[in-house]
Amino acid sequence: QSVLTQPPSASGAPGQRVTISCSGSSSNIGSNTVNWYQQLPGTAPKLLIYNNNQRPSGVPDRFSGSKSGTSASLAISGLQSEDEADYHCAAWDDSLNGPWVFGGGTKLTVL
Amino acid sequence: QVQLQQSGPGLLKPSQTLSLTCAISGDSVSGNSAAWNWIRQSPSRGLEWLGRTYFRSKWYNDYAVSVKSRILINPDTSKNQFSLQLNSVTPEDTAVYYCASGEIRFDYWGQGTLVTVSS
Repeated sequence: QSVLTQPPSASGAPGQRVTISCSGSSSNIGSNTVNWYQQLPGTAPKLLIYNNNQRPSGVPDRFSGSKSGTSASLAISGLQSEDEADYHCAAWDDSLNGPWVFGGGTKLTVL
Repeated sequence: QVQLQQSGPGLLKPSQTLSLTCAISGDSVSGNSAAWNWIRQSPSRGLEWLGRTYFRSKWYNDYAVSVKSRILINPDTSKNQFSLQLNSVTPEDTAVYYCASGEIRFDYWGQGTLVTVSS
């Protein structure tokens, strides 16, 4: 059972906007920044969003992140078929759970 | 651009020792702003951070509580790589193991190694 809670699945049609939530606690999301990783089928995770809402070079601005309190969200606008992947949130945890904790991952299906 | 290349066996018997290596190109294992991590992924537990090594005037290691009693992560400066050693494996250690670079985020990942523990 993962320390951060994500919905197991999400879906949307091409062109739509979808959001994926990540819920934590005061020891992780509540006091530290959140990173998001995209994992395409059969590949290693790739950094998608860091420091809550920053995009690494090369990541389209269709991807955005936000954080409020002990929860974070990843939004994908203008959904494309190549966005079909697993998405994982991660945060530093100040408790014995840490130091790094992940969500269980959300499988995004593009309908 | 940092590249991480993993190597090591993929099949173990219970009680054996898991040993994986991650070769680094494009950065230095002893860089003062780098950290070198091992993370694993299984269907039952998702992504699980195992530990890291990093150099800040001297070498440091951090390990996850869940594996702290049986894990070692060591740097090898002569080969610019780092390694994972996990002792006394059980079938629950079956997972894809990744090395990854980064201190406040995991910027680069290795290709992953499927390790299966089975008698």
